Order: sequence, then C-alpha cells, then structure tokens
Amino acid sequence: GQQLNQSPQSMFIQEGEDVSMNCTSSSIFNTWLWYKQDPGEGPVLLIALYKAGELTSNGRLTAQFGITRKDSFLNISASIPSDVGIYFCAGRDTGTASKLTFGTGTRLQVTL
Amino acid sequence: KAGVTQTPRYLIKTRGQQVTLSCSPISGHRSVSWYQQTPGQGLQFLFEYFSETQRNKGNFPGRFSGRQFSNSRSEMNVSTLELGDSALYLCASSLTGGSDGYTFGSGTRLTVV
Repeated sequence: GQQLNQSPQSMFIQEGEDVSMNCTSSSIFNTWLWYKQDPGEGPVLLIALYKAGELTSNGRLTAQFGITRKDSFLNISASIPSDVGIYFCAGRDTGTASKLTFGTGTRLQVTL
Repeated sequence: KAGVTQTPRYLIKTRGQQVTLSCSPISGHRSVSWYQQTPGQGLQFLFEYFSETQRNKGNFPGRFSGRQFSNSRSEMNVSTLELGDSALYLCASSLTGGSDGYTFGSGTRLTVV
C-alpha cells in the first residue's frame, strides 16, 4: 500500500533541542495531519492543516502545509523527554475524504 | 467523554481461523475507519463505514470485511487467517469522516501462529 515519504526515519536528540521532520508525497492532498504514537497505543492527533501555505502551532509544535500541497513539515521546539515516540504525517484528499494515507514515521528519542 | 474503545486488546489465533474485532466510537461519531499497522507496511487503510454503509475500501483481500451497526459500533472480521495478518488493528472515529479529525483507539494486537 501507499505510504508517504517521511524523514528523517529516526532522530536521537538532547533535551532542549529543536526538531524538524518533513513528509513528501507524489500526490496532492487537501488536508495534512500530524500524529504521535506512543508504544502500545493508537496515534494521537497533534495538528491539522487545511490550506496550502497554512502555518499552525500547538504549544511547542508548529506545522506547515506546503504550497505545492505535496509536502508538510513539523517542528518541535525545546524538546522534552515526553516528546519521545513515533511521529506520523497523514494526508487526505477530497476524493476519498475518509481515507488517510500515512507516512513511514519518524522515531524521536530524547536524552537528558 | 469516553474515547474510542477497541476490544479485545490482545488476541492470539491459529492460521486458518477467523477473528472478529470490535470498535465503539466516540458518542455521536458516525464514521468509523479501520487501519492495519505492521512494521513493514506501516499504517494502511482497510475500510470506512458511515451510517452503516461502507463508504471507502482499501486494497485488502476479501478475507477482510467489516460492518457497522445502527449505534455506530463497528466490527471487522478476518477469515482464513494467515501469518501475515499479524498486526495492530486500529479503529478511528470521526463525526462525519470529512474535514474533521479522527480519534484513534488503542488498537487490537492480533498475533497469528
């Protein structure tokens, strides 16, 4: 099945550092979503983006909807240990609005 | 309010058997989607139900099926289990399945032996 290209695949950073990850697609999406998944749990929605060029923040998280509608970026500022987990992007198009296409995931590990 | 509830949390089945997984969406949500998560393929869309009708379907064989009841609760069934069906099965509920967000349950971990 299709998966969006997400990079980096994994990151090992120190507490307090900023983190950036991105997601690219060969297809256009009308909505981009960013999720975080902890071990043994389902993904939790962090940020939703609905418009090309949109920049949205949620606390220390900031995400942008690329103007080509084929990419999205997530930044985490001043990382803390509880940021550990796997981050997924997901795209949705209007044709099959109820279907999400997920990225390959970015595994984030934070050290003190 | 209560979140998305999936039962059971863990399941071990033998090849050739069939299995039924259950999902209770958030109260008032009418859309329920199912996803399969594996290390190799990641999160893959199975199907979506809205008001008891299947509205979208992913690229999975016919052994994977589902249904939705009038109270929006949903079940998915996998028949003739294969080793490759071992995965975390996630259910997501949404008000309409449109532009609103999706809330995922904790999943059912299925192991086929």
